[in-house]
Amino acid sequence: DAGVTQSPTHLIKTRGQQVTLRCSPKSGHDTVSWYQQALGQGPQFIFQYYEEEERQRGNFPDRFSGHQFPNYSSELNVNALLLGDSALYLCASSRPGSGGTYEQYFGPGTRLTVT
Amino acid sequence: LAKTTQPISMDSYEGQEVNITCSHNNIATNDYITWYQQFPSQGPRFIIQGYKTKVTNEVASLFIPADRKSSTLSLPRVSLSDTAVYYCLVGVNDYKLSFGAGTTVTVRA
Repeated sequence: DAGVTQSPTHLIKTRGQQVTLRCSPKSGHDTVSWYQQALGQGPQFIFQYYEEEERQRGNFPDRFSGHQFPNYSSELNVNALLLGDSALYLCASSRPGSGGTYEQYFGPGTRLTVT
Repeated sequence: LAKTTQPISMDSYEGQEVNITCSHNNIATNDYITWYQQFPSQGPRFIIQGYKTKVTNEVASLFIPADRKSSTLSLPRVSLSDTAVYYCLVGVNDYKLSFGAGTTVTVRA
């Protein structure tokens, strides 16, 4: 059983560009959350998707947007990239009916570098 | 969510027991205490969750005193592979996880 997968593994972008990161949840999971982790810090919640809708959002600007597809996979889009957007972007999934249970399963992340 | 305080770092040696204490003075009645582990360049991994007294699984034990204002994660007989960052989280089942800076545990041979 594949766990949470994310692509790409690494990405280098230039300031002002746009980026799309992808996530496939663990089999049987329907809820996907996205987190940003800057170097040396804990992950920060960006938003969560359930039933193709954004259910809750953290303190991130509108430049950060997302989407969830009928197969539960998800995308994170970041527009007008800033140097400060350089971070590890983590996707986490959870089981049906678990709502926001703390047992979320994380992927390996996408390392985004903005130059 | 209740704020948590945990040590920035801890050093240990292989075979020793490591205990990480997390303070959460304003924990609410419905809050659970959860610990995650994160290795470099990987996503966090759920370790253990508890509400009160003691919880034990194949990886760790979680001790929660009666007042629940603190909790202690105990890692028995650590090995080099236990070197990681450990996060203490407090809250009810919620849609988002709020991580602090965590405790970096370094296990030496």
